[in-house]
Amino acid sequence: AQTVTQSQPEMSVQEAETVTLSCTYDTSENNYYLFWYKQPPSRQMILVIRQEAYKQQNATENRFSVNFQKAAKSFSLKISDSQLGDTAMYFCAFMKPWEYGNKLVFGAGTILRVKS
Amino acid sequence: GAVVSQHPSWVICKSGTSVKIECRSLDFQATTMFWYRQFPKQSLMLMATSNEGSKATYEQGVEKDKFLINHASLTLSTLTVTSAHPEDSSFYICTLAAPLAYEQYFGPGTRLTVT
Repeated sequence: AQTVTQSQPEMSVQEAETVTLSCTYDTSENNYYLFWYKQPPSRQMILVIRQEAYKQQNATENRFSVNFQKAAKSFSLKISDSQLGDTAMYFCAFMKPWEYGNKLVFGAGTILRVKS
Repeated sequence: GAVVSQHPSWVICKSGTSVKIECRSLDFQATTMFWYRQFPKQSLMLMATSNEGSKATYEQGVEKDKFLINHASLTLSTLTVTSAHPEDSSFYICTLAAPLAYEQYFGPGTRLTVT
């Protein structure tokens, strides 16, 4: 079974600084998808970034970028120029399409607090 | 992306009663939907996979007779918590699977409080 591990329960960062959230996963699959989701206090889940395992290039979305190390099974999220609105719980997630019915396997989450 | 709604957003019910939560896909044919449960400051736990026109597939440890799922149309899946107890109090989230996009679209969630 696939597992996703987020080893940082809580983190804090000063506004405008950079923070990196860690995620490791365990799978024997070669083709899969990895995601970072943001859950703000409203609790609406928001997709931050998605990475296809067959792509070597790291995904980026504005201030958000990932460091995808397939051999090491590591998928960290870097948030640059942190903003107060980035305060949320962040989840790393794994998906193996089709074989598991597009199920998402989530990590435990990391609570990020951005301080002014 | 697809728009997913849930109703109600918050419900309070008495212990022993049943409560139904609706999950609607507003602009996308929802062949497959997922139901998750989330306790405060914890991760999402998959409860079941809801397939249109067929029986739901429950994850191990989830009581199918307690959490009834019906997916009778391509736009609506419902979760009924039967004989609710305080330990069923939680945040329930439905998602819509996008087959080709390898992505799931999340509903806003329903907060259930059982008194």
